[in-house]
Amino acid sequence: QKEVEQDPGPLSVPEGAIVSLNCTYSNSAFQYFMWYRQYSRKGPELLMYTYSSGNKEDGRFTAQVDKSSKYISLFIRDSQPSDSATYLCAMTSSNTGNQFYFGTGTSLTVIP
Amino acid sequence: KAGVTQTPRYLIKTRGQQVTLSCSPISGHRSVSWYQQTPGQGLQFLFEYFSETQRNKGNFPGRFSGRQFSNSRSEMNVSTLELGDSALYLCASSVGRQGAQYFGPGTRLTVT
Repeated sequence: QKEVEQDPGPLSVPEGAIVSLNCTYSNSAFQYFMWYRQYSRKGPELLMYTYSSGNKEDGRFTAQVDKSSKYISLFIRDSQPSDSATYLCAMTSSNTGNQFYFGTGTSLTVIP
Repeated sequence: KAGVTQTPRYLIKTRGQQVTLSCSPISGHRSVSWYQQTPGQGLQFLFEYFSETQRNKGNFPGRFSGRQFSNSRSEMNVSTLELGDSALYLCASSVGRQGAQYFGPGTRLTVT
């Protein structure tokens, strides 16, 4: 079993839709959770960084962590064509040697 | 602040050769991690350096090595290149070992 599971998609939505991206994980020790956006042939760009359970909002982006279910989500409101990219989740913990574990990424296309 | 920089951006090498990639982290960041990204495998962790010491190592053969200098700059070396080493090599830096990682643009290595 992989440490982090992420549906690869592809996911295609109309402009203005609410997008929900999800990851599940197996190791309950994970404490820090991140979402990255990666455009084609570029390095991943940090979108959200959260600690433990709860919600965090930044503009059109909301990150949710449910540690009891080992499930994290990223919501994108009012999606734009410029949001078309691959989204990667990542997590780490001092209890796992501080190594970062990444999902395989979900490919999102927002259609104008 | 300047972001993470990686040089060179593109590289073409022949099977059997060796290659050295360079990464300059964000100023003040002391942790540097390296990843290999391929379409089929996603992001795979190579190693992490903190304070000039390798702290974590992924499941890659000994042909892959790295080091970190006192100014936190890092290099990775791949010897005896194989066709399967063709990939995007990403460097990421963070302030501490659990802080959010910020990625560079990557070095695209093609082995022919």
